[in-house]
Amino acid sequence: DGGITQSPKYLFRKEGQNVTLSCEQNLNHDAMYWYRQDPGQGLRLIYYSQIVNDFQKGDIAEGYSVSREKKESFPLTVTSAQKNPTAFYLCASSKTGQGYTDTQYFGPGTRLTVL
Amino acid sequence: QKEVEQNSGPLSVPEGAIASLNCTYSDRGSQSFFWYRQYSGKSPELIMFIYSNGDKEDGRFTAQLNKASQYVSLLIRDSQPSDSATYLCAVEYNFNKFYFGSGTKLNVKP
Repeated sequence: DGGITQSPKYLFRKEGQNVTLSCEQNLNHDAMYWYRQDPGQGLRLIYYSQIVNDFQKGDIAEGYSVSREKKESFPLTVTSAQKNPTAFYLCASSKTGQGYTDTQYFGPGTRLTVL
Repeated sequence: QKEVEQNSGPLSVPEGAIASLNCTYSDRGSQSFFWYRQYSGKSPELIMFIYSNGDKEDGRFTAQLNKASQYVSLLIRDSQPSDSATYLCAVEYNFNKFYFGSGTKLNVKP
C-alpha cells in the first residue's frame, strides 16, 4: 500500500525533553511538510522540504528542527525550546517539489501531549 | 501574513439539503485552491481542488472560484449525515507552500 505513515500515534513529553516525530512516505513524492493543529484551529506550517538535503522554515519554526536525508523520510524534532508543544502534528507530502503545483496528502497524525 | 478566512460555524443543514461553505483569501497572486474534509481526531482528506475561475463538479461536490472577489466556495448537494465534519480551505501562495483556514464545522441532521 502506498501512503504516508507517522509514528507514534500518541506521544507524551516531559518538560525539558526533546522528542522526535517520524514521517515516512512511499509515494515517491518530492515535497514533504510538517503542520501543527491546535483545537479549533487550522493548520500552521512548521517546516517544508522540496528536495532532499534542503528545507525551509514555515510560519512557526521556532522550537522545532527537521532533517531530510532521504526522499522518503522527514522527521520533526520538538525541542525543549518550544514552550507550548501540545498539539496535533500532521505530516504531508506532494508529488512535485519545485515550480509545479500538486496536491498535498496527509499522514494520520501524531498527538503530542506535554505532561 | 497570508490570510484564509472561513466561518467557523457550526453550519447545520437537514439531510438531503445543499450545504454551502465559503472561504476568502487575501493574496491576489494565489493560483490553487483546495478543499479538505477532516473528521474529529483524524487527518484532513482531499475533497477537490480548483485552479480556474468558475465551477468544478465532482459527484455531489462543486467548487466555485472567483479570483476577482478572492472567494472560493464548496457546495455539497444531497447532504448526508456522513458529511458531518470540519471542512478546511487551503490556498497555495507560492509553489508548494499552502495556507489553511481554520475550518467550518458542518452538521447534517437526519
